[in-house]
Amino acid sequence: AQSVSQHNHHVILSEAASLELGCNYSYGGTVNLFWYVQYPGQHLQLLLKYFSGDPLVKGIKGFEAEFIKSKFSFNLRKPSVQWSDTAEYFCAVNANTGRRALTFGSGTRLQVQP
Amino acid sequence: DVKVTQSSRYLVKRTGEKVFLECVQDMDHENMFWYRQDPGLGLRLIYFSYDVKMKEKGDIPEGYSVSREKKERFSLILESASTNQTSMYLCASSLSSEYSYEQYFGPGTRLTVT
Repeated sequence: AQSVSQHNHHVILSEAASLELGCNYSYGGTVNLFWYVQYPGQHLQLLLKYFSGDPLVKGIKGFEAEFIKSKFSFNLRKPSVQWSDTAEYFCAVNANTGRRALTFGSGTRLQVQP
Repeated sequence: DVKVTQSSRYLVKRTGEKVFLECVQDMDHENMFWYRQDPGLGLRLIYFSYDVKMKEKGDIPEGYSVSREKKERFSLILESASTNQTSMYLCASSLSSEYSYEQYFGPGTRLTVT
């Protein structure tokens, strides 16, 4: 069965610091990859997604992620975080086996201090 | 914009009660999903449905059942609520395109079983 690992459970940064959140998955075939964000009190929303093509994917609010197939990774990055980026971030994968559900990681809570 | 609504934001039930959580989506999506979200565990798939009257077990179906009588509505049923089912329950929907596994989420129902 596919699995997704997010090794950073809680990250605390100051405003303007750079961010990188790790995501690794366990499936060896073709995958579709996602990052979702959940702001305090709000529902999950899509940050960005990768299906094919350029492994560097740009999303909303200045976020980007890089798919590195050889490392089974899809790390999320942002050059300069803002206080409003405080949220929980979830990586998710679909292994393209016909199962239409996503497998989510355990999430990373990001706290940005002003 | 896709809209996924859930019948309650907060629910308190007693052990042994039968609980119904309702989810409605307005974008004619074929696929609907129920997850539970727990701190440190991320989102775990309970059940999903590809079509009306179709359902498939997810990763943690024990203690739950589902019903999909209409395309836009997907209900999660706790036959006999237990305290370990205290959690945040999230409903999601998606299109049936092989090129898009992006899921749209509702606001969640925080269920407390006492």
